[in-house]
Amino acid sequence: QKEVEQNSGPLSVPEGAIASLNCTYSDRGSQSFFWYRQYSGKSPELIMFIYSNGDKEDGRFTAQLNKASQYVSLLIRDSQPSDSATYLCAVRNYKLSFGAGTTVTVRA
Amino acid sequence: DTAVSQTPKYLVTQMGNDKSIKCEQNLGHDTMYWYKQDSKKFLKIMFSYNNKELIINETVPNRFSPKSPDKAHLNLHINSLELGDSAVYFCASTPGRGVETQYFGPGTRLLVL
Repeated sequence: QKEVEQNSGPLSVPEGAIASLNCTYSDRGSQSFFWYRQYSGKSPELIMFIYSNGDKEDGRFTAQLNKASQYVSLLIRDSQPSDSATYLCAVRNYKLSFGAGTTVTVRA
Repeated sequence: DTAVSQTPKYLVTQMGNDKSIKCEQNLGHDTMYWYKQDSKKFLKIMFSYNNKELIINETVPNRFSPKSPDKAHLNLHINSLELGDSAVYFCASTPGRGVETQYFGPGTRLLVL
């Protein structure tokens, strides 16, 4: 079983729509959860982190965490073409474990 | 002003060669990491050093040897390169061991022919 699994992409959404990304993890002892965005040919950059169950909003991004279900999600509202990238879910226990990423394409 | 820098950016080499990748951070961070990202974009930790001490070694072949001469530098030496070593290698740093916001370098694209 992979440590972190993400829904397979690619995910194509029209401009202005909501993009929904999902992630599950295997280690119940995981303490903190992250979403990174990676543009093609670039390094990952942190966009959100969440530690507690519930929702956390930052601008157009909302992260949701459900530790009982071992599930993390990211919603991107009012999607823009500049949001087109690969989104990596990461989970921390003693190290940071990444999922394989979901590629999002926002159609203008 | 670059926070985490890596050299070289691109590396093309033959199988069996030995090569090194260098990483430097000017953020004053205590902890540095090497990650490997394969062609399927899967990003996996290889090593972590905290104040020059190895703290994570994730089942990486012995051909890979990290070296941290000081807490601002973490280099990666690879012996006897294999085709499967072709990947993008990212260096990253964090202020401490328990602080999770990873500051990534620009990556080194290694191609083994």
